[in-house]
Amino acid sequence: NAGVTQTPKFRVLKTGQSMTLLCAQDMNHEYMYWYRQDPGMGLRLIHYSVGEGTTAKGEVPDGYNVSRLKKQNFLLGLESAAPSQTSVYFCASSTTAREQFFGPGTRLTVL
Amino acid sequence: QQPVQSPQAVILREGEDAVINCSSSKALYSVHWYRQKHGEAPVFLMILLKGGEQKGHEKISASFNEKKQQSSLYLTASQLSYSGTYFCGTGAGSYQLTFGKGTKLSVIP
Repeated sequence: NAGVTQTPKFRVLKTGQSMTLLCAQDMNHEYMYWYRQDPGMGLRLIHYSVGEGTTAKGEVPDGYNVSRLKKQNFLLGLESAAPSQTSVYFCASSTTAREQFFGPGTRLTVL
Repeated sequence: QQPVQSPQAVILREGEDAVINCSSSKALYSVHWYRQKHGEAPVFLMILLKGGEQKGHEKISASFNEKKQQSSLYLTASQLSYSGTYFCGTGAGSYQLTFGKGTKLSVIP
């Protein structure tokens, strides 16, 4: 089992460009999450999903959109990237109230 | 609102003990603890559910005082491999977590 995978691992964007981060899990988990991690800030929840076809906003959703068309995939989109979105992005998945399994992360730099 | 972790950083010598605290202003259903090594993803350590349960994992254990909305992580006889940043994640419901800013633990020989 691969667990949780994320693509790409690294990306550099210019201000105003768009991109999509892909998260995939093979554990048949219902719940999936996108976090961003900035120095000294811990992990902050961007959006999450409690099942295929559903999404909800987390703590810091502005500037991001998500989709969960298939149970195993959770996509995070940036429509118009800003330097403030420079961060490390982690995807995670879980079953109810259980441990969250994290992907390896995507390091995004917006110039 | 993020839970508050203390201390922010701690340096230990091998074999010493440490306690990391996590405090929330909200009523909690669960507390999760994760460890993250530099450049890697967070890794689950343990979960504590409402009920004041204490859980253990080798020489790492934790407690959860739901009345005070606090949890503590106890690291006994620390090893070099314990170095990393420890995060608590608090949940008012069954799946969404809010993470603290982390406690950086450094274990030196």
